[in-house]
Amino acid sequence: RKEVEQDPGPFNVPEGATVAFNCTYSNSASQSFFWYRQDCRKEPKLLMSVYSSGNEDGRFTAQLNRASQYISLLIRDSKLSDSATYLCVVNNNNAGNMLTFGGGTRLMVKP
Amino acid sequence: DADVTQTPRNRITKTGKRIMLECSQTKGHDRMYWYRQDPGLGLRLIYYSFDVKDINKGEISDGYSVSRQAQAKFSLSLESAIPNQTALYFCATSGRASYNEQFFGPGTRLTVL
Repeated sequence: RKEVEQDPGPFNVPEGATVAFNCTYSNSASQSFFWYRQDCRKEPKLLMSVYSSGNEDGRFTAQLNRASQYISLLIRDSKLSDSATYLCVVNNNNAGNMLTFGGGTRLMVKP
Repeated sequence: DADVTQTPRNRITKTGKRIMLECSQTKGHDRMYWYRQDPGLGLRLIYYSFDVKDINKGEISDGYSVSRQAQAKFSLSLESAIPNQTALYFCATSGRASYNEQFFGPGTRLTVL
């Protein structure tokens, strides 16, 4: 089983739609969680951190459910420019403090 | 100018050849990483370094080696390239402000024939 699992998609949605992605992680000791965004043929970039109480950044809302070990990302009022792959990332706070990346969920927003 | 640069950006090589990928950063970060990305598998860590001359194996280090002779540079070598090393390779850095935010280079697309 992968440490961080995501539905690869693609999720095809019309502009203006609300779309949600989930991600599950296997290590119950994981401490920190993030969403990164990767555009086609580009490098990943940090989109937002995920806090236990949930957090919002404009049209984006991230939530964490520790009991069920999943993380979600909600995008409201989708824009064409939101088309990208969204990577779920977990820091297990192990000795190396390394990040573990999920395989990504691809989103395509259509006009 | 980009903060994290990688050279070359694209490379086609043959099985058995030695190849080196270079990464440079101007962010002043102490930590540097090499990942490979394959479709459906996400980013997998090859090696990482916390400081000059500090080298640590990641998840998939077999067949690779690295060198960190200066804080700003971290190079990845394939001593004898094989076709299953065909992938997109990313270098990344992180610094004391937040080790959780990694800054990636633009990637090197490597094809081994």
